[in-house]
Amino acid sequence: GQQLNQSPQSMFIQEGEDVSMNCTSSSIFNTWLWYKQDPGEGPVLLIALYKAGELTSNGRLTAQFGITRKDSFLNISASIPSDVGIYFCAGPNNAGNNRKLIWGLGTSLAVNP
Amino acid sequence: NAGVTQTPKFRVLKTGQSMTLLCAQDMNHEYMYWYRQDPGMGLRLIHYSVGEGTTAKGEVPDGYNVSRLKKQNFLLGLESAAPSQTSVYFCASSYSSGGPRFFGPGTRLTVL
Repeated sequence: GQQLNQSPQSMFIQEGEDVSMNCTSSSIFNTWLWYKQDPGEGPVLLIALYKAGELTSNGRLTAQFGITRKDSFLNISASIPSDVGIYFCAGPNNAGNNRKLIWGLGTSLAVNP
Repeated sequence: NAGVTQTPKFRVLKTGQSMTLLCAQDMNHEYMYWYRQDPGMGLRLIHYSVGEGTTAKGEVPDGYNVSRLKKQNFLLGLESAAPSQTSVYFCASSYSSGGPRFFGPGTRLTVL
């Protein structure tokens, strides 16, 4: 079945550093969604991508829909302590049913102030 | 505007007991979802609804039932709880079919 692989699994960085993480799939996706989950909370949708090559920003966050449609990237610039959390990528299943998403296992980010 | 709320926040059950988790949203969203989150497994869809009176199975529906009698509420029921249902349960909603947009704070359920 489809799987999403996120890397790295975890990151520990200094405040102010830039962060890059990615999500890859064995098959083509038509949509990529990036979420952040704070400890003890539900995920929050950060960015949604719908077209290959698309580059979308949300404040200090920038996400890209890979041109092969099998990957996506999330960058965080000038990290701050509140960026701590787990970042998940997700995309629709084989049938393109966005109600049934395939989820990655997340990239855990720790920021040292 | 409370967004998505879940009741209760925590619950401990004994094997075989039943319970209902309540999810409510005040954004007039058509789509609602129930997920469970387990370490190393990520988020898995249990059931979802595309509108009042409709429900559909997700990836892991066995042992759960749902109802959407009112547009703003989505109930998740466990008829006979099992230890394998120990998990954190999240409800989510969205206004379109493009995936869940807003999540609730979660219900942490332990089945002994």
